[in-house]
Formats: sequence, C-alpha cells, structure tokens
Amino acid sequence: KAGVTQTPRYLIKTRGQQVTLSCSPISGHRSVSWYQQTPGQGLQFLFEYFSETQRNKGNFPGRFSGRQFSNSRSEMNVSTLELGDSALYLCASSWGTGRSEQFFGPGTRLTVL
Amino acid sequence: SQQGEEDPQALSIQEGENATMNCSYKTSINNLQWYRQNSGRGLVHLILIRSNEREKHSGRLRVTLDTSKKSSSLLITASRAADTASYFCATDRFLNSGYALNFGKGTSLLVTP
Repeated sequence: KAGVTQTPRYLIKTRGQQVTLSCSPISGHRSVSWYQQTPGQGLQFLFEYFSETQRNKGNFPGRFSGRQFSNSRSEMNVSTLELGDSALYLCASSWGTGRSEQFFGPGTRLTVL
Repeated sequence: SQQGEEDPQALSIQEGENATMNCSYKTSINNLQWYRQNSGRGLVHLILIRSNEREKHSGRLRVTLDTSKKSSSLLITASRAADTASYFCATDRFLNSGYALNFGKGTSLLVTP
C-alpha cells in the first residue's frame, strides 16, 4: 500500500506570496492532519480534516487554511507569507482521529525569503 | 505549548549499547506514542501505549509508562547505526474542538559504529 505523499517536496517563496501544499493520504484513511516543524517551536499541530470537514484547528493565524476533498486528499494554504513561516510542513493520515497512530508523509520544506 | 518533554536532548552511544530516552508530560493522557524522524524527513510511528498499560515491547523497543509520575521511557536495545535519528514522544490532548498530538522537542540519538 502506498504511503502518504506530499507535493512539492521543496518550495522557495518570497514574503507576501501565498503557497499551496498538497497531501495524498494512505488509501482508506479519512483523517488528515497537518503539522509545522521548526527548530525553535518543534512540531506544532495546524489542523485536522475528516470527511471533508475541519475537525480541529491549532493555534495558528487565519493565514493558514486547509481543505479536504472527497477522495481524502488535502491541501493547505498559507497566504501573505512571512519569514517565520519557513518550516517543514508535515501531513499525516490515520484511520481514526487526530490522536490515533499517525502515518506521516516526507514533508514539504518551505523557505520564505 | 509542548506537552511532552524528552530527556536528554542529545545522546551519543556506540553500536551494541542500549539507548534510553525519557519523556515527561503535564496533563492526563489517554495514550502516549513514540515516533522516529530521520534527518528532516517524515516521522515514523514506533509504538503506542495506552494509559492503562505499564509496559509495551516491539522488537528491540521497550516502552514504559508511569502515569503517576507523568513520564514514559523508550529503551532501544543493542543499538545499530541505523537507529541514528530524532525520537519524539507525543501525547494526545484536547485542543479547541478535538484531540491532536502534542509533540515534545525530541531526543537526538547518534549511534556510532
């Protein structure tokens, strides 16, 4: 069974731009969660989607948004990029909820210049 | 905020030795998970231990959980160079409208041949 895939793997943007990251979960998984990882803050929960509905959201500004499609694929969008948004963005899928065993993708490395 | 805190932050051992990492958390949990991350890539789930369990084994991994002390430990026996990675504990916590995983900052393990 194919694992979680994320595209693109690397991205370079400039301040003020917006970016869209994509995640394809493991087949059959309906829960998709997004995490931001930085050296300073570590791994922080962004949001979780289940059956096209946002089930939970972390403490991030409204510039961070996401959605999930009927095939469980998910996208996250960051608008008006700031330097501090440079991070590894990880997507994870699971059978159950956001606290079940998570299967992570390889991540998208976003650099904001 | 970080719920789990790993200790030590970094650990260097030789192949064949055992590696022990500790995790402390602040609030009550339903389960605690351990993940491994190789050099800026996605996380790999290692083991999940429920709050009513005290010990769990998986291959060369042994996890203990002491809910009275709000702590867990991960023991890797007979370490190999391939075990070099960062190890994170994750606890489930209720955030806003649902449960999410709360990760510690991790223990960086270096196993030298």
